[in-house]
Amino acid sequence: SQKIEQNSEALNIQEGKTATLTCNYTNYSPAYLQWYRQDPGRGPVFLLLIRENEKEKRKERLKVTFDTTLKQSLFHITASQPADSATYLCALGGYQKVTFGTGTKLQVIP
Amino acid sequence: EPEVTQTPSHQVTQMGQEVILRCVPISNHLYFYWYRQILGQKVEFLVSFYNNEISEKSEIFDDQFSVERPDGSNFTLKIRSTKLEDSAMYFCASSEARGQGHGYTFGSGTRLTVV
Repeated sequence: SQKIEQNSEALNIQEGKTATLTCNYTNYSPAYLQWYRQDPGRGPVFLLLIRENEKEKRKERLKVTFDTTLKQSLFHITASQPADSATYLCALGGYQKVTFGTGTKLQVIP
Repeated sequence: EPEVTQTPSHQVTQMGQEVILRCVPISNHLYFYWYRQILGQKVEFLVSFYNNEISEKSEIFDDQFSVERPDGSNFTLKIRSTKLEDSAMYFCASSEARGQGHGYTFGSGTRLTVV
């Protein structure tokens, strides 16, 4: 069955460092992959989309990579700030829907 | 910044009662979705909707669930006879296009509590 795995343990990093979050998937060939941010009690907020034929995408302090051979995406936040503390969700894109992973909680420590 | 609006923000209902969750998607979006999130769990797909019909639904979306776009702006999710396990946060989302295009814009959710 399809599986999307994100590190369930919280990631704690020092302010100013680069946070790297991982999304691995199996039994899936997504046409694209998305990353969202979710704050407690709120809906997911779209951050970035990367297509299967793209290796890397950047937006301001965010960078996403997509390796369809390894079936993995990495999400980087450079120069992290306490305001970046949230849960980050990867979502694999199908034609009619996206399917979410469990999310990784990021805590940026001042 | 355009928003997806959901009402009510919190709904408490007795088991067996019908509930209707309401959503106003972004006006120029064509694709609409309902997702739910049980406390502490992942965001789960329920249904996608396009051109006034269901495009895809999950196994969660059984005969107790229905969706409707009664006019040009609202998009509703109805649960006919609620169960305790329906307690969750329900999110509506919309997108400009499907497939390889676009991120989804989610609403702030309706917290449904079934007692």
